[in-house]
Amino acid sequence: KAGVTQTPRYLIKTRGQQVTLSCSPISGHRSVSWYQQTPGQGLQFLFEYFSETQRNKGNFPGRFSGRQFSNSRSEMNVSTLELGDSALYLCASSLDTTNEKLFFGSGTQLSVL
Amino acid sequence: AQSVTQPDIHITVSEGASLELRCNYSYGATPYLFWYVQSPGQGLQLLLKYFSGDTLVQGIKGFEAEFKRSQSSFNLRKPSVHWSDAAEYFCAVGGSLTGGGNKLTFGTGTQLKVEL
Repeated sequence: KAGVTQTPRYLIKTRGQQVTLSCSPISGHRSVSWYQQTPGQGLQFLFEYFSETQRNKGNFPGRFSGRQFSNSRSEMNVSTLELGDSALYLCASSLDTTNEKLFFGSGTQLSVL
Repeated sequence: AQSVTQPDIHITVSEGASLELRCNYSYGATPYLFWYVQSPGQGLQLLLKYFSGDTLVQGIKGFEAEFKRSQSSFNLRKPSVHWSDAAEYFCAVGGSLTGGGNKLTFGTGTQLKVEL
């Protein structure tokens, strides 16, 4: 069974640009969550999608957005990039929203120059 | 608001020695507690979880953790550490009973170094 796939693995952007990250969950999983990991702030919850609906949202500005498609694949978008957006963005998939078990992808390392 | 504290940023142990990583949490209801491990350049892997019932939970790779409600702690233990256990360990709290879904609050992590 394939794991959680995140693309691209690495990304370099400049300030002011926008970026889209992709996450393909494990087959059969309907929940996708996104986390930001930085050395200073650690792991922070961005948002969660289940059956194409945002179920939960963390404390991030509106520049951070996401969506989920009917096949459960998810994308997150960051507009008007800032230097502080440089981080490892992790996607996690789960069967449902009962917090039973999250499976994490290897992440997308975003560098903003 | 829920929070997790991992007081040890770095821990070094000798291979074969026992290990205990500390975790304290703050949560307004019955917490769901987790330990995850992250190797360099990788995502997080679930070691074990506590939802209810027996306060001593067993996980993968020989790890166990004990939930102590009176101390708001969920410490991770391993009786004999292997060199391959060197990684960063994260304690997390969440709770779907409060509608939190799969939102987890993580501690800042403990970096484990194993000396051969």
